Amino acid sequence: GAVVSQHPSWVICKSGTSVKIECRSLDFQATTMFWYRQFPKQSLMLMATSNEGSKATYEQGVEKDKFLINHASLTLSTLTVTSAHPEDSSFYICSARRVFNTEAFFGQGTRLTVV
Amino acid sequence: KNQVEQSPQSLIILEGKNCTLQCNYTVSPFSNLRWYKQDTGRGPVSLTIMTFSENTKSNGRYTATLDADTKQSSLHITASQLSDSASYICVVSPTNTGNQFYFGTGTSLTVIP
Repeated sequence: GAVVSQHPSWVICKSGTSVKIECRSLDFQATTMFWYRQFPKQSLMLMATSNEGSKATYEQGVEKDKFLINHASLTLSTLTVTSAHPEDSSFYICSARRVFNTEAFFGQGTRLTVV
Repeated sequence: KNQVEQSPQSLIILEGKNCTLQCNYTVSPFSNLRWYKQDTGRGPVSLTIMTFSENTKSNGRYTATLDADTKQSSLHITASQLSDSASYICVVSPTNTGNQFYFGTGTSLTVIP
């Protein structure tokens, strides 16, 4: 099967610090990875789409300087929340698409709490 | 406007009972529709995927139907189990290779003993 792994599963950080979340496709190459944010009892909201080797495309309203996305290889994308604030506390989920395939597989999510 | 609406918003059923979740969409063009199960605090897991020409698809106790003419889909869960308690999300894609996915707001299902 296609496995997408996120790390860490949960993280608590202080306001003003930066946090990096990793998303790895363990058994397939993913040319495209997606980053979502999910608030309690709400559906996933797409933050950005990243393609390996190029800059991420951010959705309207998402600050690219605050949510830094890097997709340096076909199996790894990272989301860095810079200068985190309590309102950044949320559930962050990544998904990855196989090359030439419409199926997108989700990671298990990362619960970020900023105190 | 491309939208995906799900109903009911939440549902509580007794263990062993069946239930049906609904998904209506206005996404056009249409390529495929997926149903995902999302356990609390976890990422979504794919249950079924259907293309324009498919009317029904099963995955164990889960059966999805699609009516592309009326732009409606349903997910039927048979003989529910406590482990079926989760959010069920309908996702529609307008193209086969593009990066656009339209998410429904989900149905929160609680199965009680």
